[in-house]
Amino acid sequence: GNSVTQMEGPVTLSEEAFLTINCTYTATGYPSLFWYVQYPGEGLQLLLKATKADDKGSNKGFEATYRKETTSFHLEKGSVQVSDSAVYFCALSANTGNQFYFGTGTSLTVIP
Amino acid sequence: EAGVTQFPSHSVIEKGQTVTLRCDPISGHDNLYWYRRVMGKEIKFLLHFVKESKQDESGMPNNRFLAERTGGTYSTLKVQPAELEDSGVYFCASSQGQGAGQPQHFGDGTRLSIL
Repeated sequence: GNSVTQMEGPVTLSEEAFLTINCTYTATGYPSLFWYVQYPGEGLQLLLKATKADDKGSNKGFEATYRKETTSFHLEKGSVQVSDSAVYFCALSANTGNQFYFGTGTSLTVIP
Repeated sequence: EAGVTQFPSHSVIEKGQTVTLRCDPISGHDNLYWYRRVMGKEIKFLLHFVKESKQDESGMPNNRFLAERTGGTYSTLKVQPAELEDSGVYFCASSQGQGAGQPQHFGDGTRLSIL
């Protein structure tokens, strides 16, 4: 079946620290992979995506590379800001259907 | 362009009552989805509409949940009667097309609390 596992939170970092949020997946076929972000009091926003192996999605300084060999899509940012404080969700969309499969979300707090 | 809008943002009802959630997708998006996040767990799929037809309702938990999309525009999700385990955040999403690479655009969610 299809599933996503992401690292447990919460994560607390100081401003300008390096961020990694791990995400691994199980899927039938060749899924597309996504990171969504939920800022406090808001809905889910698409942060980045990758649709095939070795693709790198990037946006707002965040990056994630679709690694088929390790079934991973880890989110990274070189220097986080206070405004990056949010909950981050890894998700996959399998090519056999239209529903998204989400991880449990990782809460990030960045302190000045 | 207006995003996906959901109403109400928060609903508190007693066990056994009825609640109806509403979702207005992005204009022109034929695909509409409902998801639910319970108690900090993963966001789980409930169902998928294409226009007014239910394409996939495999995630609907039981027959106390009824989703409709009359006319293929906005959608409602009714819970009747509500139980304690129905508490959570209900998200609606829409997309223009289908397929694995299509991003889904989410609303802010409705936080449902059953007392």
